[in-house]
Amino acid sequence: ETGVTQTPRHLVMGMTNKKSLKCEQHLGHNAMYWYKQSAKKPLELMFVYNFKEQTENNSVPSRFSPECPNSSHLFLHLHTLQPEDSALYLCASSQASRDSPYEQYFGPGTRLTVT
Amino acid sequence: AQTVTQSQPEMSVQEAETVTLSCTYDTSESDYYLFWYKQPPSRQMILVIRQEAYKQQNATENRFSVNFQKAAKSFSLKISDSQLGDAAMYFCAYSPPQGAQKLVFGQGTRLTINP
Repeated sequence: ETGVTQTPRHLVMGMTNKKSLKCEQHLGHNAMYWYKQSAKKPLELMFVYNFKEQTENNSVPSRFSPECPNSSHLFLHLHTLQPEDSALYLCASSQASRDSPYEQYFGPGTRLTVT
Repeated sequence: AQTVTQSQPEMSVQEAETVTLSCTYDTSESDYYLFWYKQPPSRQMILVIRQEAYKQQNATENRFSVNFQKAAKSFSLKISDSQLGDAAMYFCAYSPPQGAQKLVFGQGTRLTINP
């Protein structure tokens, strides 16, 4: 595997289900990100992890719970979601630096549908 | 808060012609980075080109170039000799310079290439 991978690629879940999205980066980066991409809206940054520590939580509802066990893996745990949470969830990674931002590498995304 | 605006939801161009995608942004910072990302249909988002705000010279990557007007807070992307493979959503993004990137994206422009 190379780059940033995400599983599953598609997920349909009911509002009472609990599921998790997984992201893995094979690039040796130290920062990982979750984004939400909804139709006709800009990408929304949800969470940022820098050296496994969460450095950004962009006012995301508590029904979304991130986990970063190491610098290569990132999870997004989902529970009691709403239909408006249906979207493409993108994971990204980068080599964060104080001096300059590095390119973010994106995964293919998980298409989530909440019924 | 920083904002990024792409005023063209859709653009189309004839193959081999030149097209310019517009982007404006708002920030009170003097040092920052700007990016153009490309998201082909059902494929991963990739970086097209980046520009450091402190650099006067416009960035160029093969057929892709930018027109960076710092005073006007404008950052347009020019694609020369358009190819069918250029068809995609194009996102303009802003980042502050320090630490992990906190990209702020525009709404995107869907580019169609007509053969």
